[in-house]
Amino acid sequence: EAGVAQSPRYKIIEKRQSVAFWCNPISGHATLYWYQQILGQGPKLLIQFQNNGVVDDSQLPKDRFSAERLKGVDSTLKIQPAKLEDSAVYLCASSYRIAGVSSYEQYFGPGTRLTVT
Amino acid sequence: AQSVTQLGSHVSVSEGALVLLRCNYSSSVPPYLFWYVQYPNQGLQLLLKYTSAATLVKGINGFEAEFKKSETSFHLTKPSAHMSDAAEYFCAVREGNTGNQFYFGTGTSLTVIP
Repeated sequence: EAGVAQSPRYKIIEKRQSVAFWCNPISGHATLYWYQQILGQGPKLLIQFQNNGVVDDSQLPKDRFSAERLKGVDSTLKIQPAKLEDSAVYLCASSYRIAGVSSYEQYFGPGTRLTVT
Repeated sequence: AQSVTQLGSHVSVSEGALVLLRCNYSSSVPPYLFWYVQYPNQGLQLLLKYTSAATLVKGINGFEAEFKKSETSFHLTKPSAHMSDAAEYFCAVREGNTGNQFYFGTGTSLTVIP
């Protein structure tokens, strides 16, 4: 079974530029998560999708961050414009649903390390 | 509101010694609790989970954790450390079976000394 795929693995941009990250979850996983992991901290949920709908985006800085999962499969997270404090690893995870509830097992991708200079 | 506290951001043990990584949580409802491991430049991998069944949970790679409701703790242990255990470990909590969001601790970096 293929795991969660993310690209690119590394990205360096200057502040005020824009950047996009891509995630392809495990086949059949209805739930997709984007996390931000700042160095020395645990992952923080940015947004959660159920198929192509947003379940929770309460911690997404919507003035600069956006995410979509148009066909309920792969997803894109965008930052525009980037700030220095956005330097972090962006992790994508997916999980399946049982009886209408997301499984408590999340499968993580390798992450995208973003450096904003 | 949920929160997770991991005591000790860095832990060093000798190879073959006991590993003990501490995790305390706060939750207003019975929680689901997890330990994840993260190797350098990789995503998180689930080690074990507590979902209201047995309080002593066994996971992969010889790790286990015990849920203690009275202490609101879910400490991770391994009887004998191996060099390959060196990694970052994260404790996480989810609000029972209906909560959507996972809350992660700040992580504990484990170093194994040969």
